[in-house]
Parts: sequence; C-alpha cells; structure tokens
Amino acid sequence: DAGVIQSPRHEVTEMGQEVTLRCKPISGHDYLFWYRQTMMRGLELLIYFNNNVPIDDSGMPEDRFSAKMPNASFSTLKIQPSEPRDSAVYFCASSPSYNEQFFGPGTRLTVL
Amino acid sequence: GENVEQHPSTLSVQEGDSAVIKCTYSDSASNYFPWYKQELGKGPQLIIDIRSNVGEKKDQRIAVTLNKTAKHFSLHITETQPEDSAVYFCAAGLGANNLFFGTGTRLTVIP
Repeated sequence: DAGVIQSPRHEVTEMGQEVTLRCKPISGHDYLFWYRQTMMRGLELLIYFNNNVPIDDSGMPEDRFSAKMPNASFSTLKIQPSEPRDSAVYFCASSPSYNEQFFGPGTRLTVL
Repeated sequence: GENVEQHPSTLSVQEGDSAVIKCTYSDSASNYFPWYKQELGKGPQLIIDIRSNVGEKKDQRIAVTLNKTAKHFSLHITETQPEDSAVYFCAAGLGANNLFFGTGTRLTVIP
C-alpha cells in the first residue's frame, strides 16, 4: 500500500483565496483525521470521520474551515477565505481501528 | 480536556548514549499513550505505544514506561544512532479519536 496520500505537498496562496487540501486514506481504514501543525500550537486535531461520517469537528477553528468525505477513498479540507494565520502544515491520517493512526506526508500551506 | 506537557523541547546526545523524553498528562481517564517520530518533511510515524494496564513496554532499543499514579510516561532510546535524530511526540487520550499531543522534542544524535 502507498500509505496515506496528500496533495498538494505545498500550497502558496494569497489571503482571501480558497484553498482545498486533499487526502486519500489507506484502503480499508475506516477512520480519517485532519490535523494542523504549527510551531506555536503543535499538532491539533481539526476533525475526524468514521465510515465517511464526520464524528467530531470541534477542533475546526472557524466557519471558514470545512471538511468532506464523499467516499471511503477521498477527503477534502477547504479553507474559504484563507488568512495568513492559517499558514501551517496540514496532516491527514487514517486508522483501521480505534488506536493506531497512519499519517500522510502533509501539505505545507502558506497564505500571503 | 486533556493537557499533555513534554520535556525537553530539544535534546542532544552523543551516538551510543541513551535519550529520555518525558511527558505528563492531566486527565486520569486517558488510557492510551503513543509515541510518534517525525522526520523532516514527513508525517509523524508511530514507533511505540502503551496502554494503561501495562507499566512498561520494550521494542528493541525503544522502551516506554507509564506511571498512572503520577500521570507521566517516558520514552527511552538506548544506543542512539544518527538515524534516531528527529522530532518525537508523545500523546495521551482514550483512543485514536481522542488523542492530545505534546509539543515535541527535537532529538539530535551527534556522531
């Protein structure tokens, strides 16, 4: 298996633009997580899905953030409109069970 | 909610020496404690985990200890090698959907 796949790996955009991050979980994993990593706040869980259904989105910082999982092999995290403070590395992770998570390589987002 | 503190933030050791990273947590209900290693440009990777019914777990040069009474757990790496250089994160929670991460320790192994 190729592991969790994220795209793009790097994204540079201007403030106010819409940003869409993509994730393909490991086949057969029924949990999917979106995290944000910054120097100041470390790793923060934004939202997670179980069997494509959002279970807990309490970590989503604002209404500007939204996430979808239309099927078991694809998820998106969208920021609209983006702001400089959204600059971070965004990780997607998937899990076949209640415990071990497998992380993707991350998307480094820079909002100018 | 859970609050996880991790120390030190940076650690340098000579190759062959041991490295110890310590974490404390606040929620006594937490029962799952994984450790992740993050190399430059990559996502965190699980290296070892421990559950609250176990006090110690070892996997080759890596070991984790847990003290539930004191609410702290530690990662021990023996015979360190340059490829152990990375950022290490501890986490605590009730499971994968309830994990709270420490702020990370940057370990540098000096050849």
